[in-house]
Amino acid sequence: ELKVEQNPLFLSMQEGKNYTIYCNYSTTSDRLYWYRQDPGKSLESLFVLLSNGAVKQEGRLMASLDTKARLSTLHITAAVHDLSATYFCAVDDLYGGATNKLIFGTGTLLAVQP
Amino acid sequence: DGGITQSPKYLFRKEGQNVTLSCEQNLNHDAMYWYRQDPGQGLRLIYYSQIVNDFQKGDIAEGYSVSREKKESFPLTVTSAQKNPTAFYLCASSATGYEQYFGPGTRLTVT
Repeated sequence: ELKVEQNPLFLSMQEGKNYTIYCNYSTTSDRLYWYRQDPGKSLESLFVLLSNGAVKQEGRLMASLDTKARLSTLHITAAVHDLSATYFCAVDDLYGGATNKLIFGTGTLLAVQP
Repeated sequence: DGGITQSPKYLFRKEGQNVTLSCEQNLNHDAMYWYRQDPGQGLRLIYYSQIVNDFQKGDIAEGYSVSREKKESFPLTVTSAQKNPTAFYLCASSATGYEQYFGPGTRLTVT
């Protein structure tokens, strides 16, 4: 059974600082997604990582995937208040009987303080 | 405008009543999904459908039912058998092998 773990679960950081959110998963998969959720809102797709070594960057966020280590990271550079949200990683359960069956991590609540 | 719509945005029901949540997409996606989110938690898969007239149970299907009579529509019924129905419900769709796009969600409160 595929399990996805994120850490930390809560991250309070100051504006201008750098930090990394980690996403570990338990079985083989080479498809990983990062989503952002603002309070009371739906999920917004941030990154799609489809192969080992994939790296994607958008603004102050950069995501990477190491399928051998079963690890993805979401790196935040010089955080600003607008990045405050909950971030989820999700892994495609390729052996769960269907493609696109995603297993979500528990999320990381990011609070950027001025 | 292409996208996924869910209605209603907020729904209040008395315990013991069935309720149906609507999900429509005009993205021409084959696959559609229903997730449940509880406060401070991640998303859990209720049901998914990869093609019209076919659907599969997810991890927490008990107390829920779905239908997929049209490609564009995937309604979810929360039955009285669901013991803790109060939650935020999210519908998603995807093209085969591609990322999932999410609707705005329906917040269901059962008292």
